[in-house]
Amino acid sequence: DGGITQSPKYLFRKEGQNVTLSCEQNLNHDAMYWYRQDPGQGLRLIYYSQIVNDFQKGDIAEGYSVSREKKESFPLTVTSAQKNPTAFYLCASSMDRGGNQPQHFGDGTRLSIL
Amino acid sequence: KNEVEQSPQNLTAQEGEFITINCSYSVGISALHWLQQHPGGGIVSLFMLSSGKKKHGRLIATINIQEKHSSLHITASHPRDSAVYICAARTSGSRLTFGEGTQLTVNP
Repeated sequence: DGGITQSPKYLFRKEGQNVTLSCEQNLNHDAMYWYRQDPGQGLRLIYYSQIVNDFQKGDIAEGYSVSREKKESFPLTVTSAQKNPTAFYLCASSMDRGGNQPQHFGDGTRLSIL
Repeated sequence: KNEVEQSPQNLTAQEGEFITINCSYSVGISALHWLQQHPGGGIVSLFMLSSGKKKHGRLIATINIQEKHSSLHITASHPRDSAVYICAARTSGSRLTFGEGTQLTVNP
């Protein structure tokens, strides 16, 4: 079945460590997105990519990094510079770059600090 | 004040009731999305609309561009409708601005 796969579902990080969250899609979508969800707040955009080898910062990019070397993959690295990384992270993709198609979401990764 | 505001934050209903969730936005938009988030966290896109009304099964979404307001209605609600419902406004390009969500609980 086509869809978006995020892994792992739960992730624990020690202070000072970088961790990478995986997002893979087999929908042949051009655009991909990373969001962060905190209790009582709406989803906030971290990074997005509209085409391979290109990506843009979202509203809360500090402390995060991404790459888009392949169309189907958009991994997110939470670096040690992110001071409050505990959150629920959602990856999404959409068929077109202009936003005229709905976004498809993965099931999310919950990151916690040990 | 958030650019996208939802009400109510929490809603409890009895099975069979008609449910309305509201979304107001303060910016110009090109489209508005309604999403459903299940307890496990996964999100499903329900509707994307830029004018008028859309219907899918027991779900109806409406938008009034002049009043900058959208509503999501659920007819004959069922416990399996229990979820968080999120509205999101497409304000520029492909970027979305999200409301905080409405937690809906439908009791049998």
